[in-house]
Parts: sequence; structure tokens; C-alpha cells
Amino acid sequence: DGGITQSPKYLFRKEGQNVTLSCEQNLNHDAMYWYRQDPGQGLRLIYYSQIVNDFQKGDIAEGYSVSREKKESFPLTVTSAQKNPTAFYLCASSLNRVDTQYFGPGTRLTVL
Amino acid sequence: GNSVTQMEGPVTLSEEAFLTINCTYTATGYPSLFWYVQYPGEGLQLLLKATKADDKGSNKGFEATYRKETTSFHLEKGSVQVSDSAVYFCALSTDSWGKLQFGAGTQVVVTP
Repeated sequence: DGGITQSPKYLFRKEGQNVTLSCEQNLNHDAMYWYRQDPGQGLRLIYYSQIVNDFQKGDIAEGYSVSREKKESFPLTVTSAQKNPTAFYLCASSLNRVDTQYFGPGTRLTVL
Repeated sequence: GNSVTQMEGPVTLSEEAFLTINCTYTATGYPSLFWYVQYPGEGLQLLLKATKADDKGSNKGFEATYRKETTSFHLEKGSVQVSDSAVYFCALSTDSWGKLQFGAGTQVVVTP
């Protein structure tokens, strides 16, 4: 089955801890994205990557970090510097930077 | 900058009613326009898209027409079902690098 997988579906973290969210795609897409969704709001872009070993900050990158060592993987680390990390995190990918984006099922992060 | 404005929800309808969700945008250049749907607890699914003026996107009984003169991309469905209950997001991207700009989302509740 082709698609985008995110794990885990639910994640709990204590304040002050870093946590890494997984995103994998087997669609052979070059571009990948991380979005954050808060209740009643649209999605906001955290980071994006147009190609392996390259990534750029989105609109709300502070307190987050990413890596793109493999084409199919784009993990997001939520660091302790992120002031309000509780949110729903969505990963997306597209064939190239101007093509349609397809989304994974999301990870709900709760900071206790 | 680019922006998307869509009508606030929730929109509550009876089954078989007509649905319209208004979406207007502000953008430089000639954006592509999208409607995504999010079912409870899930990621976003692409519902339909249009890439140039007067294009009509359609899928699963939903339609939207790209109106450049009114900068709008309103979503319509002639007869909704309970299974259409979801949050609907209007979004745009420009040619420069494909960043998606989302509206805040409109929750639709269809009752039997």
C-alpha cells in the first residue's frame, strides 16, 4: 500500500523533554512538510523539505527541528524550547514542491 | 501576503440538504486552489482542486469553481449525507514553491 504513515498516533510527554515524531512515505515524493493544527484553527507550516539533505523553516519553526537523511523519512523533533507543544501534528508529502500535497493520519501530542 | 478566508462553523444541516461553504482568497499571481476534508481524529484528505480560472473541481458529489473575478472558490454539494460530517479546509498555493495557505476550517454537521 502506498501512502504516508505517522507514528505514534498519540504521544504524551513531560514538560522539559524532547520528543520525536515519525513520518514515512513510500510514494517516492521529493517534498515533505510538517504542519501543526490547533483546535478551531487552520494548519500552520513548521518545516518543509524539497529534497534529501535540505530543509527550510516554515512560519512557526521556533522550538522544532527536523532532518531529511532519506527521501522517505522526515522526522520532527519537538524540543523543550517549544512553549506550547500540545497540538495535532500532520505530515504531508508531494511529488515536487508545486504538486498537490497528501497528508498522513497525524500524531496528537499532549504535554503533561 | 496570501490569505484564505472561509465561513465560520459549525454549519448544521439535515440529511439531503444543500451545502455551501464560502471561501475567498487573497494572493499574488495565479494560485492553485484546494478543498481538503478532515474526518474526526484523522489527517486531511484532498477533496478537489482547481489550478486556473473557471476550472471546476469535483469529487464525491462536491464541486467548486475557481472564480478569479470574485477571488472565490466556494464548495457546494447538492444533497449531503451524515457521512459528510467533517471539517472542510480551503487552501491555496502559489507557483513559487507550493506552500499551502489554509483557511481556519469549517465544521459541517449533518443530522439524520
